[in-house]
Formats: sequence, C-alpha cells, structure tokens
Amino acid sequence: EAQVTQNPRYLITVTGKKLTVTCSQNMNHEYMSWYRQDPGLGLRQIYYSMNVEVTDKGDVPEGYKVSRKEKRNFPLILESPSPNQTSLYFCASSLLIKQGTDTQYFGPGTRLTVL
Amino acid sequence: RKEVEQDPGPFNVPEGATVAFNCTYSNSASQSFFWYRQDCRKEPKLLMSVYSSGNEDGRFTAQLNRASQYISLLIRDSKLSDSATYLCVVIRNTGGFKTIFGAGTRLFVKA
Repeated sequence: EAQVTQNPRYLITVTGKKLTVTCSQNMNHEYMSWYRQDPGLGLRQIYYSMNVEVTDKGDVPEGYKVSRKEKRNFPLILESPSPNQTSLYFCASSLLIKQGTDTQYFGPGTRLTVL
Repeated sequence: RKEVEQDPGPFNVPEGATVAFNCTYSNSASQSFFWYRQDCRKEPKLLMSVYSSGNEDGRFTAQLNRASQYISLLIRDSKLSDSATYLCVVIRNTGGFKTIFGAGTRLFVKA
C-alpha cells in the first residue's frame, strides 16, 4: 500500500529535550516536506527536499533541522524544543513535475506538546 | 497580507446547495495550484488540481485565472459528506518548489 508514515503520532516532551519525528514514504517520491498546522494559521511549510541531500527552508524553519540521506526518509529534528513548537506536524511526499509538485500525499500527523 | 488568501468562512449551506470558494495569491512566481480537503485535523487530501482551462470532477469545478491571480472551487449539489475544510494550495518556484497553503475555508452542509 502506497503511504507516508510518521512516528510518533503523539508526543509530550519538555523544553530543551532533543527529539526526532520520523517520516518515511514508499512511493519513490523525489519531493518531501514538513508542515506545521496551528489554529488560525493553517499549514506552514518548515523544510522541504527536492531529492537526496537537497533540502531547503520553507516559511518557518527556525528551531528545526532536517536531513535527507535516503530517498524514502525525511526526519524532522528539534534540537531544543520550546513551547511555541507545540503543534500538529505533517510530513508529505510527491513526485516532481515540470511546473512543481504533483499531488502531495500526507502522513497521518504528529501531535507534539512541549511543556 | 498573506501570500495565499481564502474566504474565511464558515459557510453553512443546506444539502443540494451550490457553494463557491475563492482564493487569491500574490506571488507571480506561483506555478501550480491545487484544492485539498481536510477533515477534522486529519491529513489533507487532494481534491483537485487547478488549470487555466478549468477542470471538472463530478460535482466539483475548479478554475484558475492567472491574470487576476485568482483560484476558485465550485461545489454543486452539496452533500452532508462535503462538510470539511477546503485548502487552497500554491506551489511557488524559488529555485526549489515552496508550498504555500491558504488558511482554509470551513464548510458545513446541513440536512
């Protein structure tokens, strides 16, 4: 089954404790992306990757790191989480087409609370 | 001003109604356009891609006006199951492809 998986689905942590949210896709997609969703602000792109070893900042990259060592995986790293990073996080992947991306397929989301 | 703006909603309509959503984008480097649907904080799912020529999928019609930088979605014969948040999405070419979401428009269809 074609899918994007994220782990963990729910996480409660404390300020400053490093964490990683994993994202994996089995569709051989070049494009992968992380978003956060906050009430009233919609989804905002954190980082995206056009292919292996190619990553770039989205609109809200501060406080986050990513890596793309393999095509299927795109982990999101919070080196020192803060309460303002409490949010719902989505990972997505897509084929690339001439004009941009094709349909983006989303993972089920990770609900993160930073105390 | 946000780069992608949508009608704030919520829209409350009876079953069978026709409802139209509008979306405007401000960056002329925008290259591809989509409508996604999101149910109750679940993951967004593609509803339709949007083309200048217009495209239709059953009860749904999407239109893009590049000159006015405007995207629309029309839902005919609304069903209870259409109740959701509709997200306007724009891909901007910045050397890479940034994805910009509108804040979404909430639709409630009532019996």
